[in-house]
Amino acid sequence: GQQVMQIPQYQHVQEGEDFTTYCNSSTTLSNIQWYKQRPGGHPVFLIQLVKSGEVKKQKRLTFQFGEAKKNSSLHITATQTTDVGTYFCALKKDSNYQLIWGAGTKLIIKP
Amino acid sequence: DAGITQSPRHKVTETGTPVTLRCHQTENHRYMYWYRQDPGHGLRLIHYSYGVKDTDKGEVSDGYSVSRSKTEDFLLTLESATSSQTSVYFCAISAGSGNTIYFGEGSWLTVV
Repeated sequence: GQQVMQIPQYQHVQEGEDFTTYCNSSTTLSNIQWYKQRPGGHPVFLIQLVKSGEVKKQKRLTFQFGEAKKNSSLHITATQTTDVGTYFCALKKDSNYQLIWGAGTKLIIKP
Repeated sequence: DAGITQSPRHKVTETGTPVTLRCHQTENHRYMYWYRQDPGHGLRLIHYSYGVKDTDKGEVSDGYSVSRSKTEDFLLTLESATSSQTSVYFCAISAGSGNTIYFGEGSWLTVV
């Protein structure tokens, strides 16, 4: 079956440091989506990547889709307290009509 | 805001009692979903619907049933609640299968 691994599970950073989460699939993907969930909130859609090697930016967030369409990353430059939360990837295979969710990476800003 | 309302938002119930969570949407989306979220498990799909009276099981459907008699409403029922069903339940919608998901604000259920 479809396997998705999202790492790390947690990342503690000082404010101003960078943050990266990775999502890896065992099979080729149709697309990948990224979501953010603030503490106590609900997941909110950030972006969708479709093309091999695609790179998209949203201010300090950079999203990449691997050349083989099996992996993706989300990188945040110079984290701020507003970035705190859990970041999820969600995968879609060509023949699978349901999204498969990564376990999430929790971004924690050290006091 | 994708026009999704969940009720109740918080509920405490006793083991063995039936519980129904309601999801209401105002934008006529075809696909609706129920997820549960637990620490260490991320989001897990319970059931989903692709139209009125059209539903299917997700990966953790045991102990849950759903009904969709109208486009706008998707009900999740725990026939006999157990402590393992203590969780946060999210309703979600999408415009199409595998498309962008929009979540409701969640229902916190505690089974004691």
